Formats: sequence, structure tokens, C-alpha cells
Amino acid sequence: EAQVTQNPRYLITVTGKKLTVTCSQNMNHEYMSWYRQDPGLGLRQIYYSMNVEVTDKGDVPEGYKVSRKEKRNFPLILESPSPNQTSLYFCASSLIPPWPNEDTGELFFGEGSRLTVL
Amino acid sequence: GQQLNQSPQSMFIQEGEDVSMNCTSSSIFNTWLWYKQDPGEGPVLLIALYKAGELTSNGRLTAQFGITRKDSFLNISASIPSDVGIYFCAGQSQGGSEKLVFGKGTKLTVNP
Repeated sequence: EAQVTQNPRYLITVTGKKLTVTCSQNMNHEYMSWYRQDPGLGLRQIYYSMNVEVTDKGDVPEGYKVSRKEKRNFPLILESPSPNQTSLYFCASSLIPPWPNEDTGELFFGEGSRLTVL
Repeated sequence: GQQLNQSPQSMFIQEGEDVSMNCTSSSIFNTWLWYKQDPGEGPVLLIALYKAGELTSNGRLTAQFGITRKDSFLNISASIPSDVGIYFCAGQSQGGSEKLVFGKGTKLTVNP
């Protein structure tokens, strides 16, 4: 089954304790992206990757790191989490970047990872 | 950065009613997408629009790409309880950026 898998789905941690949220897709997609969802703010892009070893900042990258060593994996790293990073995180992938034409690969989302930083 | 204004923020309706929501932008968009997020799940694509003026249906859902390329609407006819969720518009602006900009979402509640 084609899917984007995130782990963990739920995590409560404390300020300053490094954590990694993993994301894996089995669709051979080139494009992967991380979003955070907060009440009243919708989905905001944190980082994205056009392909292996190619990553770029989204709209809210502060406090986050990513890596793309393999095509299927795109982990999100919080080196020193703070309470303002409490949020619902989504990983997403598509065959090619969402270019504006009918060959665009649909953007598939994972089920989300709810992170609480105390 | 670019912003999409999505309205309304929330809607409370009775089962069987029709629903309409829209998104506007100050800049021209080449693509408009509508996603639905069920409670506890990730967003799922409902409808994709690629041409100005395009009107596309998916079952009880109908969406249109505004002729000015700065807006889009989504209509749901004869709502049912499983329509509950958050609906997001998303767009990609003229210029070929790989970024997809999302609206803040419309939370829909359907009372049986």
C-alpha cells in the first residue's frame, strides 16, 4: 500500500531534549516536505526536499533541521525543543514538486505526529 | 510570504444542507487544490484545478478556479455527517515556485 509513515504518532517530551520524527514513503517520490499545523494558523511549511541531498527552508524553519540521505526518508530533527514547538506535524511527499500542470504528482500526507514539549 | 484568505473559519450546519467555502489571494495562482482533513488524519486531496474558469466535480463536491486566477470556491451539496472535518485550500503561484501555499482551513461540523 502506497503511504507516508511518520513516527512517533504521539510524543510528550521536555524542553531541550533532542528528538527526531521520522518520515518514510514507499512511492519513490522525489519531493518531501514537513508542515506544522496549529489552531487558527493552518498548515505551515517547515522544510522541504526536492531530491536526495537537496533541502531548503520553508516558511517556519527556525528550531528545526532535516536531512535527506535516502530518497524514501526525510527525518525532522528538533535539536533543543521548546514549548512553542508543541504542534501537530505532517510529513508529505509527491512524485515531483507540485508544479502547476496536470502531470503534477499529488501531495500525499502522513497521519501526523502530535508533539508536546513541556 | 504569499497568503491565502480562506473563509469561513468554521461552519455549523444541519445534515442535508449545502455548504460553500472559498479562498482568495492577492496574487495570481496557477493551481488551486482542495484538501480535506478528517479528525486524527492527514489531509487528503479532494479536487485539483489547473485552468482559470475550470469547474470540476467529485461526487457531491464542486470546485471552481476563478477567472481572475486569484480565487477558488468549494461547494458541498446535501451534506452528510462524514463531511465533518477541516477543508484546506492550497495554491501554487505564478512563477514556478515549488511551494504550495495553504489556507488556514474551514472547520465543518454537520449536525445529524
